[in-house]
Amino acid sequence: AQSVTQPDIHITVSEGASLELRCNYSYGATPYLFWYVQSPGQGLQLLLKYFSGDTLVQGIKGFEAEFKRSQSSFNLRKPSVHWSDAAEYFCAVGAQSSASKIIFGSGTRLSIRP
Amino acid sequence: EPEVTQTPSHQVTQMGQEVILRCVPISNHLYFYWYRQILGQKVEFLVSFYNNEISEKSEIFDDQFSVERPDGSNFTLKIRSTKLEDSAMYFCASSPGTGGNRNYGYTFGSGTRLTVV
Repeated sequence: AQSVTQPDIHITVSEGASLELRCNYSYGATPYLFWYVQSPGQGLQLLLKYFSGDTLVQGIKGFEAEFKRSQSSFNLRKPSVHWSDAAEYFCAVGAQSSASKIIFGSGTRLSIRP
Repeated sequence: EPEVTQTPSHQVTQMGQEVILRCVPISNHLYFYWYRQILGQKVEFLVSFYNNEISEKSEIFDDQFSVERPDGSNFTLKIRSTKLEDSAMYFCASSPGTGGNRNYGYTFGSGTRLTVV
């Protein structure tokens, strides 16, 4: 069964600093990988997704993620964070070959230090 | 870009009451899903629906829950007798479900916040 691990429950970075949020997945077939962001009390906003092709994926709001099959990872990065990036970030994995559920990680809460 | 639409955005109901959450999936999608997120927790899969029947459900999706596609556009989640612990954000999603890239285009709605009092 597929699973997603986000090892960092809470991360605090200074405004303007770089950011990397970790995500490791376990999935037997070719995965379909997502990053979502959620502000308090709000819905899920898709930041980016990886399906195939270039393993470095560009998303919205200046985010990018890199798919590393050998490490079963899909880490999210941003070169310079803004105070508005403070939110909960969820990594998720789904199947490419069959229509099925998406499995979410437990999330990483990002706080920004002024 | 096509959207999954959920209504209402927020619903308050009394414990023991029935509640129906509504979703309009993307029009050419064939697979439909409900997910739940209890406050402060991760998003959990509830059920998937295809060809007018449930294709998969989680252990959370017990006899209190049911899903229906009453017409060609709506997809509903019914909770028969709500409990306090049903308070959560409920997300609907849909995916194309065809072709080699069956989940490309998997799209979530903005959610319905259900508060049971």
